[in-house]
Amino acid sequence: DTGVSQDPRHKITKRGQNVTFRCDPISEHNRLYWYRQTLGQGPEFLTYFQNEAQLEKSRLLSDRFSAERPKGSFSTLEIQRTEQGDSAMYLCASSLPRGGREAFFGQGTRLTVV
Amino acid sequence: KQEVTQIPAALSVPEGENLVLNCSFTDSAIYNLQWFRQDPGKGLTSLLLIQSSQREQTSGRLNASLDKSSGRSTLYIAASQPGDSATYLCAVRTGFQKLVFGTGTRLLVSP
Repeated sequence: DTGVSQDPRHKITKRGQNVTFRCDPISEHNRLYWYRQTLGQGPEFLTYFQNEAQLEKSRLLSDRFSAERPKGSFSTLEIQRTEQGDSAMYLCASSLPRGGREAFFGQGTRLTVV
Repeated sequence: KQEVTQIPAALSVPEGENLVLNCSFTDSAIYNLQWFRQDPGKGLTSLLLIQSSQREQTSGRLNASLDKSSGRSTLYIAASQPGDSATYLCAVRTGFQKLVFGTGTRLLVSP
């Protein structure tokens, strides 16, 4: 499978726990994005990487959220001290810098905070 | 601030009907516009990408048009099938790297 891969697909955690999600982009894509989607809404931008550099962060990304892309390949998104309001689908996307910059999305990680 | 609106929010049609989904955006200074399909509980599947300099793109039974000056795009689905039932999302890319999404149109095609 050469698409964007996300792990885990589902995560249930207790309030206050830390969680980490992983995203593996399409291999030649140097741009990687994280989005969050709540029920009935469109995805909202969280953050963007070009190679290993985090170039843009949304105001939605509070100080409990941190994202990394250490070697410009896979990325992780960590949420510390989870709250019930963090329950959502977390989507990762990647794109090439050229060729129209079509974004390709993974299957997402569904987080439920109980 | 870019805002994207999709109308209608939900649509139910019988199989075989042709249909049009609408997307409007407030800032015409876009880099491109992308239409996605999302099945329940799943990620997004890219359907069509239209660059700001293009007027339309076609893929099989799908045709997307773009009128940048008026801030509008339409997705035309010909001869709809039950397998087309899903939520369709429109997103625009501005000078920044992020996509700004609408809230989607939920489509149900009945056999």
